[in-house]
Amino acid sequence: DAKTTQPPSMDCAEGRAANLPCNHSTISGNEYVYWYRQIHSQGPQYIIHGLKNNETNEMASLIITEDRKSSTLILPHATLRDTAVYYCIVRVGGSQGNLIFGKGTKLSVKP
Amino acid sequence: GAVVSQHPSRVICKSGTSVKIECRSLDFQATTMFWYRQFPKKSLMLMATSNEGSKATYEQGVEKDKFLINHASLTLSTLTVTSAHPEDSSFYICSARGGGVNEQYFGPGTRLTVT
Repeated sequence: DAKTTQPPSMDCAEGRAANLPCNHSTISGNEYVYWYRQIHSQGPQYIIHGLKNNETNEMASLIITEDRKSSTLILPHATLRDTAVYYCIVRVGGSQGNLIFGKGTKLSVKP
Repeated sequence: GAVVSQHPSRVICKSGTSVKIECRSLDFQATTMFWYRQFPKKSLMLMATSNEGSKATYEQGVEKDKFLINHASLTLSTLTVTSAHPEDSSFYICSARGGGVNEQYFGPGTRLTVT
């Protein structure tokens, strides 16, 4: 079973920041938080991952709360091409663990 | 990121026939490959995990004799759906990990339709 809870859907205006929340209250100390997204009828695309520090790359930023029970994925300037299902995944079993997908958040970026 | 390809991207087959789907890691050696299945408007479900040169480990409820997985090299894994039935129609996605990288990279998926 997935160990995360995400809102089923969100809307965002084009050009604005999209903030996607994720709750993972039962996360263990060595479990990473991963974010993937899936554009319709394509394979998932890796976005970012983190353990306890905030992370940033060219696609997004990941903010993890100090207690690690929740996190937020931030797309700083959403575009129409960012419309996708975003999956927050707690990787059980450390860095070699499997990725178990939950239901994700359907993000719709609107003009 | 690393590139994973799948072939074919779409396949239609008749009930009772077998279908083979290939998954290749193009720019890294995949020591571990994963196969997922996704039904319409549902999330990805992990079917099996395979390490190069070893037998695949199947998730609970996935029939190993129906979904044959071969991971004979560090760049190729195949999934064969044997005696396919309409209920096997789904989006099959492979994923690969290896080369000292812990991230999993996903293929573009294969749409299987069994008539």
